Amino acid sequence: QVTLKESGPVLVKPTETLTLTCTVSGFSFSNARLGVGWIRQPPGKALEWLAHIFSNDEKSYSTSLQARLTISKDTSKSQVVLTMTNMDPVDTATYYCSHIRTTGRRSAFDTWGQGTMVTVSS
Amino acid sequence: DIQMTQSPSSLSASVGDRVTITCQASQDISNYLNWYQQKPGRAPKLLIYDAFNVEVGVPSRFSGSGSGTDFTLTISRLQAEDIATYYCQQHDTLPLTFGGGTKVEFK
Repeated sequence: QVTLKESGPVLVKPTETLTLTCTVSGFSFSNARLGVGWIRQPPGKALEWLAHIFSNDEKSYSTSLQARLTISKDTSKSQVVLTMTNMDPVDTATYYCSHIRTTGRRSAFDTWGQGTMVTVSS
Repeated sequence: DIQMTQSPSSLSASVGDRVTITCQASQDISNYLNWYQQKPGRAPKLLIYDAFNVEVGVPSRFSGSGSGTDFTLTISRLQAEDIATYYCQQHDTLPLTFGGGTKVEFK
């Protein structure tokens, strides 16, 4: 059974860098084409995809946020780390990580973590 | 970026009603379209993948259809546990994008 859990700070100050960690279990990055994505949701608003990374280290980023985002994985720790620089109050949101199931070019976020709420405020 | 437009943004229905939610893509995405259900305070849950495939464990009252730019999620007979917000998501082209959501409430 695949499970994911997000961890990171609850509160960050404007201009600081956010570092979030997604710890996964039930699958290994050393296996086939497996991936983890990050999605966020501001309070009362819609979901927004941020980035994802696959077992072959293929990475993709949101067009509007790519200058501020870095995604990486630590296979030995079964973790995926997302950093977002220059945080602003508009980045206040619940941040989710999700397992990406792929079949050829097709993909779906089939298992999600519980999410972690991050507030940006001085 | 491909824009995903859902309608309506919210709807009210009664138990047993047939509920239909639509999602329109700004360009042809074939059937690269997923649907998610999100209950208040919970993470989203995958319901439908590739436009019409029902995820394992999802009740059969949920169905999806469409291709190209126009898609539909249907709940054949609304149940109390279906009160949630529903999102479509395209996976045809990066960046991946979600619709704005449709909130389903009780009438």
